Amino acid sequence: NAGVMQNPRHLVRRRGQEARLRCSPMKGHSHVYWYRQLPEEGLKFMVYLQKENIIDESGMPKERFSAEFPKEGPSILRIQQVVRGDSAAYFCASSLTGIREQFFGPGTRLTVL
Amino acid sequence: DQQVKQNSPSLSVQEGRISILNCDYTNSMFDYFLWYKKYPAEGPTFLISISSIKDKNEDGRFTVFLNKSAKHLSLHIVPSQPGDSAVYFCAAIEETSGSRLTFGEGTQLTVNP
Repeated sequence: NAGVMQNPRHLVRRRGQEARLRCSPMKGHSHVYWYRQLPEEGLKFMVYLQKENIIDESGMPKERFSAEFPKEGPSILRIQQVVRGDSAAYFCASSLTGIREQFFGPGTRLTVL
Repeated sequence: DQQVKQNSPSLSVQEGRISILNCDYTNSMFDYFLWYKKYPAEGPTFLISISSIKDKNEDGRFTVFLNKSAKHLSLHIVPSQPGDSAVYFCAAIEETSGSRLTFGEGTQLTVNP
């Protein structure tokens, strides 16, 4: 499967725990984006990364959220001390050139109890 | 501030007829537009895109029209098929300031057999 891979598909955490979401981009793609979809809303941009660099984090909450895309391995979106309002679908997308079309993974559905 | 708006939360059409999904935007700096289709529990799938230098782009059953003066675009699907039933998202990019997608809220299309 050459598509964008995300895992886990479903993640349940209790308030105060940490959530780690992983994304492997399409083969050959070095540009990764994270989006969040809250219930009954559209997708909202969070962060744009290129290998080892954060290019645009203007959509990331200032606290508890961080993202990385190391030289080797998947991109990680990390949410510390989760709260109920973090419950959402988190989608990763990748791009070959960093412009225009982005291709999305299946998403990780985070539920905070 | 919702820069991309899809004012119809839902649309129902008969199989074989035309589906027209609409999208309005407020940011005149947007210069590239995309449509995505999304099934439940899956990630968005790229459908078709259009640059602001064009007013129409066609791909098979899908045609996107752009009216820059009205800041309006539409997606036409003809003929509509039951498998087209999904949520359709309009998205926009301001290429000079980055590559993040700004999404509308989505329109649920139902194609009845």
